Amino acid sequence: ETGVTQTPRHLVMGMTNKKSLKCEQHLGHNAMYWYKQSAKKPLELMFVYSLEERVENNSVPSRFSPECPNSSHLFLHLHTLQPEDSALYLCASSQVGDTSNYGYTFGSGTRLTVV
Amino acid sequence: QKEVEQDPGPLSVPEGAIVSLNCTYSNSAFQYFMWYRQYSRKGPELLMYTYSSGNKEDGRFTAQVDKSSKYISLFIRDSQPSDSATYLCAMGTGRRALTFGSGTRLQVQP
Repeated sequence: ETGVTQTPRHLVMGMTNKKSLKCEQHLGHNAMYWYKQSAKKPLELMFVYSLEERVENNSVPSRFSPECPNSSHLFLHLHTLQPEDSALYLCASSQVGDTSNYGYTFGSGTRLTVV
Repeated sequence: QKEVEQDPGPLSVPEGAIVSLNCTYSNSAFQYFMWYRQYSRKGPELLMYTYSSGNKEDGRFTAQVDKSSKYISLFIRDSQPSDSATYLCAMGTGRRALTFGSGTRLQVQP
């Protein structure tokens, strides 16, 4: 496995369900991110973990709950979602402090549909 | 005012054309500038990375940053159908997460 891996690729859930998205990075990076991508909107930053500590939380509703058990794994726990939460959820990683490459490596995303 | 503005397109060009994609921004603290390419049903992949002002070339791709005008560009020479994708600009200060544009959808017609 290389890069950033996200599972599942697709998820359909009801508004009363509880599910989790998983992300794993194999790059040795020290920061991981959750982004929400909706049609014709910029990527919306949800959570940032740097060195396993949450350092940024952009006023995301409490029905989204992140977990970062170690520097390689990131989860997004979902419960009682709304239809407007349907989107592509992207995980990314980066090496904070490496100014030679400040870019992020993204996973392929989880396409979430809330019914 | 959005921090980063990007025309959503779609931009349709014939194969072989030169493509120009642009973003403007308002935060003068941005120092790192990137272009990502995103194919349908995939995550964004880093295409070009530039620190501060100037040009950077990589094959058919050239990235330009004009910090005085708060304007960045990506040029694609000899465009190919395989370049058809959504192109996202992104920028950062080095102190918080990147800020992305909304993306420009490019279609290169064979």
